Amino acid sequence: GESVGLHLPTLSVQEGDNSIINCAYSNSASDYFIWYKQESGKGPQFIIDIRSNMDKRQGQRVTVLLNKTVKHLSLQIAATQPGDSAVYFCAEAGNNRKLIWGLGTSLAVNP
Amino acid sequence: DSGVTQTPKHLITATGQRVTLRCSPRSGDLSVYWYQQSLDQGLQFLIQYYNGEERAKGNILERFSAQQFPDLHSELNLSSLELGDSALYFCASSVDPAGSSGNTIYFGEGSWLTVV
Repeated sequence: GESVGLHLPTLSVQEGDNSIINCAYSNSASDYFIWYKQESGKGPQFIIDIRSNMDKRQGQRVTVLLNKTVKHLSLQIAATQPGDSAVYFCAEAGNNRKLIWGLGTSLAVNP
Repeated sequence: DSGVTQTPKHLITATGQRVTLRCSPRSGDLSVYWYQQSLDQGLQFLIQYYNGEERAKGNILERFSAQQFPDLHSELNLSSLELGDSALYFCASSVDPAGSSGNTIYFGEGSWLTVV
């Protein structure tokens, strides 16, 4: 069935380094993808999104890359800061208009 | 602040009981989503309402039900509660069904439910 999964459940990086969080999806008909950040005790917060007609989209310190050939999505965080420590979720919006979520990747930033 | 308001923030109840969680979406948002988040299963989509009507259904148990009222607020009713229902329940809202126009979904702070 349709599913979205994350390659790495946990990621630990040094402050100042770049972080890459990966996500795989299985529904090739999906046309919209979103990355969310969830800090401890808070609800998920939108970071960046991308539509399937794009390969790359940049935000403030974040970049999302979409590889439709291998159905892979990644979130790159430049110059990772302690405040980036959180759980990151990717979500896929299929043509049935239902978001499908991954389990999340926990990012720990070491000072 | 996402603009999505959930009450109560914390709730402790006994097994077999029934609780109601309430959600007020962002101003202007027609879609409301309910999610359950637990340590062992991550974020699970339960159900979505759009302008008062059920739009999509996820892993929602028969003991659970939801509705969206004319003023667009929503309630999630959890009955015959079991220990395993202890989780963080999130409400989210969006302008329209996800994916139709690139809109995003905004989450509330969640309601912590503990069943003892």
